[in-house]
Amino acid sequence: RKEVEQDPGPFNVPEGATVAFNCTYSNSASQSFFWYRQDCRKEPKLLMSVYSSGNEDGRFTAQLNRASQYISLLIRDSKLSDSATYLCVVNRGGSSASKIIFGSGTRLSIRP
Amino acid sequence: GAVVSQHPSRVICKSGTSVKIECRSLDFQATTMFWYRQFPKQSLMLMATSNEGSKATYEQGVEKDKFLINHASLTLSTLTVTSAHPEDSSFYICSARDRTGATTQYFGPGTRLLVL
Repeated sequence: RKEVEQDPGPFNVPEGATVAFNCTYSNSASQSFFWYRQDCRKEPKLLMSVYSSGNEDGRFTAQLNRASQYISLLIRDSKLSDSATYLCVVNRGGSSASKIIFGSGTRLSIRP
Repeated sequence: GAVVSQHPSRVICKSGTSVKIECRSLDFQATTMFWYRQFPKQSLMLMATSNEGSKATYEQGVEKDKFLINHASLTLSTLTVTSAHPEDSSFYICSARDRTGATTQYFGPGTRLLVL
């Protein structure tokens, strides 16, 4: 079983739709969580951190459920430019030896 | 945000040759740099963690003699793929974390390696 699991998709939704991605992680000691976005043939870029209280950044809302070891990302009013692969990322530990584990990503395609 | 560069961005080489990839933090000092590999349609896989002035820590299954890592300064880490073979063809991405030890990683633009 992978340490970080995501539905690979692809999700194909019309512009303006709301779309949600889920992610689960297996290491209960994981300390911090992120969503990254990766465009085709490019490096990942940080989209947002994920906090237990939930956090919002414009059209994007991230949620963390530590008890269920579950992370989500909600995109409202989706734009064509949101088309990308979204990576769920988990940081195992807070020390200098901490490691970031990437999920395999969920592909999102927004159609006009 | 912080900037990390990689060079070269793309390289094609013959089987059996060695390829060196550089990762530089341009506007901050990075005590730790990470090297990842990404095959098509797969996620990033951590290969090794590179700490300035000490030996790199390799992930299980990654051959340290094949993937030589040097982190000689606070702004530069290099990955050398020795005796490259076609199965080493991949997208290699480095990331760097600054001296404050914050968990945010800044990614380089990646190096696409094709071994013929």
